[in-house]
This record gives sequence, C-alpha cells and structure tokens, in this order.
Amino acid sequence: QSALTQPASVSGSPGQSITISCTGTSSDVGSYNRVSWYQQHAGKAPKLMIYEGTKRPSGVSNRFSGSKSGNTASLTISGLQTDDEADYHCCSYAGSSTWVFGGGTKLTVL
Amino acid sequence: QVQLVESGGVVVQPGWSLSLSCAASAFTFSSYVMHWVRQAPGKGLEWVAVILYDGSTQYYAHSVKGRFTISRDNSKNTLYLQMNSLRDEDTAVYYCARETTGTYYFDYWGQGTLVTVSS
Repeated sequence: QSALTQPASVSGSPGQSITISCTGTSSDVGSYNRVSWYQQHAGKAPKLMIYEGTKRPSGVSNRFSGSKSGNTASLTISGLQTDDEADYHCCSYAGSSTWVFGGGTKLTVL
Repeated sequence: QVQLVESGGVVVQPGWSLSLSCAASAFTFSSYVMHWVRQAPGKGLEWVAVILYDGSTQYYAHSVKGRFTISRDNSKNTLYLQMNSLRDEDTAVYYCARETTGTYYFDYWGQGTLVTVSS
C-alpha cells in the first residue's frame, strides 16, 4: 500500500491552467477506473471534485477536469481563480477493498 | 443536508486506547458504506478502514490492522473507530467519509476530530 505520487506543490496565475499528476502502479491507478480527486482548503474537510477519473459531481465547476493514462491520473484546473488555492489529493481504489491516497499537492494561485 | 460529525479526539499516551464516533444525519445511514480516513499534521490523507452498509464486513489498512476496529450501529446512525495500542504515528485528524455502495469514492466527509498520541 505505497502512497500515490503527487508533486508537492504547483502554482499558477489567475486565468491560467495547471495540471496535477498522480502516479500509481499497475495494481491501483492502472488497474481500476476508480481515481478520485479531493480539494481541501486550509483547516477544512476534503471535498470531492472528480470521481471515476473524469466525472464531476453536481455543483463542481467545469473548470475542473480529470484524465488518466496508464498508471498516471491527472487533474487539470483551467481559468484559475484565487479560491482554487488549496491542497488537492488523489485517491485510487487498490483492490481487496483497500484505497490509497497521494501525498497531496499544494496549489498556489499567484 | 448530509451531515457527518466526528467526536472523541483527545490527547493520549502511547499504548492507550481510544474510541471515536461519527454521527450521521439527513441520509439513510444503513444504506451506505462508511470509511475512516486520517491526516497526520502537515501530511496527506491516509485511508484507514471501511465497513459495509450492514456492518457485516470490515477491511483495514496494513498500518492499523490488528489494532483498530471499525464498527457501526445503524439504529443510532453512528460509525465508530476503536483504536488500541496507539502509537505516536497515529497522531492525526480522523475523518469519517461516506461512500455510495459500489462507487469507490467518498462523496461526503465530516469535519474531523484530532487525536494526539504523545508522552
């Protein structure tokens, strides 16, 4: 159950786009279409942003999108806004009724 | 409005035991899979345990297996986490999270409760 690999930090200016990667293995990200992404503002609970790799829950802006290629999933945020500044966590189902998270990525909107 | 409210977090010494609770409201608790997820200070999220909607089956992360027990009381709409033989590395904010059965993601989270293990 090794953690998924995310960059520790990314940054962008308002209006720009950024992409956060999430690299796992053939036992988790690569095996299941069950990657989810969570946004966490400082001191707050995580919030679901993307599920099943590419799907957005109702109420989540279409500026957020997800993709996957092989063992790597990605979250792209377009048209960056100041309120997007937060930590972003990826998660994958890892089989045998277990889940694995990434280490989290801190997004700074400059 | 779905609500999950954790409680029970305190400061304990290594080796002690502690029980956390998560009170659920505004949804049919007995129809949902429930999880515990934790976050050590300044770190990422770590999945801890899952229990099926009827409490029949539980699974655990390797790091807590044999020490933690997840359970639920559907008559009280409450999820529990019994933590034994606590270690320094169990220090974290513990969140309960809801999963619509078979979807493999967490659609609602509580605000978390802080457990500190320190001598």
